[in-house]
This record gives sequence, structure tokens and C-alpha cells, in this order.
Amino acid sequence: DVKVTQSSRYLVKRTGEKVFLECVQDMDHENMFWYRQDPGLGLRLIYFSYDVKMKEKGDIPEGYSVSREKKERFSLILESASTNQTSMYLCASSLTRVGGYTFGSGTRLTVV
Amino acid sequence: ELKVEQNPLFLSMQEGKNYTIYCNYSTTSDRLYWYRQDPGKSLESLFVLLSNGAVKQEGRLMASLDTKARLSTLHITAAVHDLSATYFCAVVLVNLETSGSRLTFGEGTQLTVNP
Repeated sequence: DVKVTQSSRYLVKRTGEKVFLECVQDMDHENMFWYRQDPGLGLRLIYFSYDVKMKEKGDIPEGYSVSREKKERFSLILESASTNQTSMYLCASSLTRVGGYTFGSGTRLTVV
Repeated sequence: ELKVEQNPLFLSMQEGKNYTIYCNYSTTSDRLYWYRQDPGKSLESLFVLLSNGAVKQEGRLMASLDTKARLSTLHITAAVHDLSATYFCAVVLVNLETSGSRLTFGEGTQLTVNP
């Protein structure tokens, strides 16, 4: 089975800190995604990547950036964390452009 | 812009009853997914529907797709407590210029099945 691993289950950071959320997949998937999940809003796409060093903005990229230096790793960066970025962050990967996604277990980030 | 809307957002039902969750989407797509999420857990894939008229069934859940109406349904038959979870539909959107694709999710339907 494909495994998508997010490095932290829970994080608490202070306003203004630079925050790194890491995601690693072990099945050579081309496509990787970062979503945030908030009650009543479903999952909203922040950024995605369909190849190493390639990235594309999703629906809510403001305040975030990403890095994909290696195929298996996709990092989400909060340049200066704010309280409105308190959320559940989910990473996913897929083999093909339209294939089913496999999700990581999520990182619950609290910014205080 | 692709929009995906689920109805209802909250559903409380008794064991043994039947109900349907609806998923409407705004742009042409011929691939739709249903996911399940248990509290505190990640998303688990339930069904992928690939073409107009597709129907998939697993246990007490049956999903269908009508691409002309841009509508998918998730029907629950004789609900049991174990089905309590949040259910999401998601539609694929492919960007032909960049070769990137993404899933756009509905808001989720929080289902509670009461004894």
C-alpha cells in the first residue's frame, strides 16, 4: 500500500514564526497535494505539484509556499504564521493526473 | 471555477433507515470520488465513478453518477451505527495547459446514525 507520511500530528506555533510541514510518500507518485480542512468548508487546495520542482497554486495559496526538491517529499511552508492559519493540513499523493488520492494522517496546526 | 456542493451538510438518522446524500458540481467532469472520514482520522477512498451512469456498491453504500445532470448520489441502505462519519465527494479538474490535475471537494456531509 502507498504510504503518505506527515511528519507531525500536532503542532503549536507562535504568530510570526516560519513553519514547515513535511510530507513524504513512498510509492514514486508524480503528483502531490496540500489541502487544509476547516469545519463547514471541506478540503481546500493550497498548492500541488505534478513533478519535481514544479508547483501550481490551488484555491487558497496566500500566505503559503511549497518546495519539492525530491519526488517523494513535498513541503508546505508558512512564511509568517498567523492565527487564521490554525487548521488541519492534509497531504495527498497520486500516481496519475486523475488517479485516486492517498491521504496522510494530517497535521493539526495551532497558531497562538 | 469548479464548485462542488453537497446536500445535506448534517444528517442524523436512525438505524435501519435509508437516505441519500447529494453532490452537485458546476463544471464538466467525468470522474468523481467519494471519501469517508472518521473523527480525527484521514480520508479513506470509497468509490470512484468514471462515466455517466456508473454505479458502485459496497455493503450498505451505493454511489451513482449522472454527468449530464452533474450530480452524484450516495445512497445509504438500512443504516448502522458504524456508518457514522463525514462523507466527501470530490471532482477531478484537469488543467490541459499545465498537465496538472486536482480534486475539488464538497463541504462534506456529517452523518450520525443513532441506535
